[in-house]
Amino acid sequence: ELKVEQNPLFLSMQEGKNYTIYCNYSTTSDRLYWYRQDPGKSLESLFVLLSNGAVKQEGRLMASLDTKARLSTLHITAAVHDLSATYFCAVGGLSGGSNYKLTFGKGTLLTVNP
Amino acid sequence: NAGVTQTPKFRVLKTGQSMTLLCAQDMNHEYMYWYRQDPGMGLRLIHYSVGEGTTAKGEVPDGYNVSRLKKQNFLLGLESAAPSQTSVYFCASSNPGQGNTEAFFGQGTRLTVV
Repeated sequence: ELKVEQNPLFLSMQEGKNYTIYCNYSTTSDRLYWYRQDPGKSLESLFVLLSNGAVKQEGRLMASLDTKARLSTLHITAAVHDLSATYFCAVGGLSGGSNYKLTFGKGTLLTVNP
Repeated sequence: NAGVTQTPKFRVLKTGQSMTLLCAQDMNHEYMYWYRQDPGMGLRLIHYSVGEGTTAKGEVPDGYNVSRLKKQNFLLGLESAAPSQTSVYFCASSNPGQGNTEAFFGQGTRLTVV
């Protein structure tokens, strides 16, 4: 069974600082996704990582994937208040048979303080 | 461009009542999913469907039933609601066969069972 672990689950940081959120998963997969969720809202897709070594950047966020280590990172550079949200990683793979499913981590609640 | 639409957005039920949540997508996606989101638990898969007329159990299927009579619609039913089913429910759709497999989410349904 595919398991996805994120850490930290809670992250409070100051504006201007850098930090990294980690996402580990338990079985082979070459498809990893990062989503953002604002309070009371739906999930918004941030990054889709489809191969080992993939790196994608959007503004102050950069995501990478190491399929051999079964690890993805979401790096935040010079955080600003607008980045405050909950960030989820999700891993796509064949689980419990031949059907493709997305399994989510528990999320990282990021708070950026002035 | 509607994407994924969930109906209703909010609902309060009494214990033992039944209801159906409707999910509709206009992207011609094969796969559709129902997740529930609870504080500190991330998103947990309830049921999913890999195509019209098919359904499969996810991680937490007990107390729920689903149907996919039409490709664009995925219904989630609660036959006898319990307070433990108080949650925010998200529907998502994707097309794994097209390689990207990114899932698109509806706006969520906030259900309270009293």
